[in-house]
Amino acid sequence: GIQVEQSPPDLILQEGANSTLRCNFSDSVNNLQWFHQNPWGQLINLFYIPSGTKQNGRLSATTVATERYSLLYISSSQTTDSGVYFCAVQETSGSRLTFGEGTQLTVNP
Amino acid sequence: GAGVSQTPSNKVTEKGKYVELRCDPISGHTALYWYRQSLGQGPEFLIYFQGTGAADDSGLPNDRFFAVRPEGSVSTLKIQRTERGDSAVYLCASSLYPRGNTEAFFGQGTRLTVV
Repeated sequence: GIQVEQSPPDLILQEGANSTLRCNFSDSVNNLQWFHQNPWGQLINLFYIPSGTKQNGRLSATTVATERYSLLYISSSQTTDSGVYFCAVQETSGSRLTFGEGTQLTVNP
Repeated sequence: GAGVSQTPSNKVTEKGKYVELRCDPISGHTALYWYRQSLGQGPEFLIYFQGTGAADDSGLPNDRFFAVRPEGSVSTLKIQRTERGDSAVYLCASSLYPRGNTEAFFGQGTRLTVV
């Protein structure tokens, strides 16, 4: 099956800093999503982005499908951005989402 | 409802007991997925329904796990003879279609603890 690797595994920032999270995947995909898992365990949809670039406030994402990676940018980070960020992909041959191991982000005041 | 709803939020059961976990997907979504998440890991796929049928159950760990979706809407994940290793958060997701516009939305999960 498809492999999904996220980096870095852990990231600690001061409030106001910018960061980039990376997701590499090993095969062609139909779908790529970024999620934020909050402290209560809820997976919050950030982006549905199988290709191209999208922006939503302080967050933006870029997927380069031909090179099999996606980037999530967080600008002017806030303490409420803390949590685990997951990348998940749906390979072209299937319907399931395969998740990476996540990036644990901690934003300190 | 507006989102995917899962009940119960928490379930504590004794080893060997039978449990049922319920998922109510977003209205009109044809695809429904179950995932399991252990501490410190990403969610892992269990089973996927297209309508009433299980289109892919290859992620179910063994025959103690079973899921149904009899009317193509609500789904129930059933675990027989629970073991302590079954303790995890069980997540349900739905999407409008299994392919094409496939953005998946997740419920808040059921935290299962087997003691």
